[in-house]
Amino acid sequence: AQKVTQAQTEISVVEKEDVTLDCVYETRDTTYYLFWYKQPPSGELVFLIRRNSFDEQNEISGRYSWNFQKSTSSFNFTITASQVVDSAVYFCALSEVNFGNEKLTFGTGTRLTIIP
Amino acid sequence: KAGVTQTPRYLIKTRGQQVTLSCSPISGHRSVSWYQQTPGQGLQFLFEYFSETQRNKGNFPGRFSGRQFSNSRSEMNVSTLELGDSALYLCASSLGGNSNQPQHFGDGTRLSIL
Repeated sequence: AQKVTQAQTEISVVEKEDVTLDCVYETRDTTYYLFWYKQPPSGELVFLIRRNSFDEQNEISGRYSWNFQKSTSSFNFTITASQVVDSAVYFCALSEVNFGNEKLTFGTGTRLTIIP
Repeated sequence: KAGVTQTPRYLIKTRGQQVTLSCSPISGHRSVSWYQQTPGQGLQFLFEYFSETQRNKGNFPGRFSGRQFSNSRSEMNVSTLELGDSALYLCASSLGGNSNQPQHFGDGTRLSIL
């Protein structure tokens, strides 16, 4: 069975600080996808990134960066120079890489509050 | 390009009633998935449809059902509503098939059971 753990329930940082959100996953699959989604107060889940288990390169997109370490089953997300607009709940998720399986297994989310 | 559209946004029902939620996927997307989000259980997968066929089903009772139409729009039905069904119901769409494209979510329908 697949499992995603986000141990940090809530994090508060002052604006412009860097913050890292942790994600640890469990799966018996040898290939899989990892995701991060952002959920602002409006409720919509906003897709941020998808990573294939074959690709362990770290990725940077503006102020966002992701560190994928297969050896420790972690897929951490860092926001650099945080802004108030980054305040949201962030979810890490896992899915199989199989035709016909779109199911996402989500972590419990981390509520991030950026203090102005 | 319009995103995933869910209607209605808010719904209030009483125990024992039944409810139908609607989801219009992004144009061209053929896979539609449904998720239930509650404070206690988090985000849980309900089911997924592709080309009018249910391909996957989560661990929910038979009171929860769905269907997909030929235009890929999907509906979800919950019968004999219980207080515990109060939740945010999220719909997600993707190209499906072998596209390996991520799912995109709608704003959700917030269902409250009195």
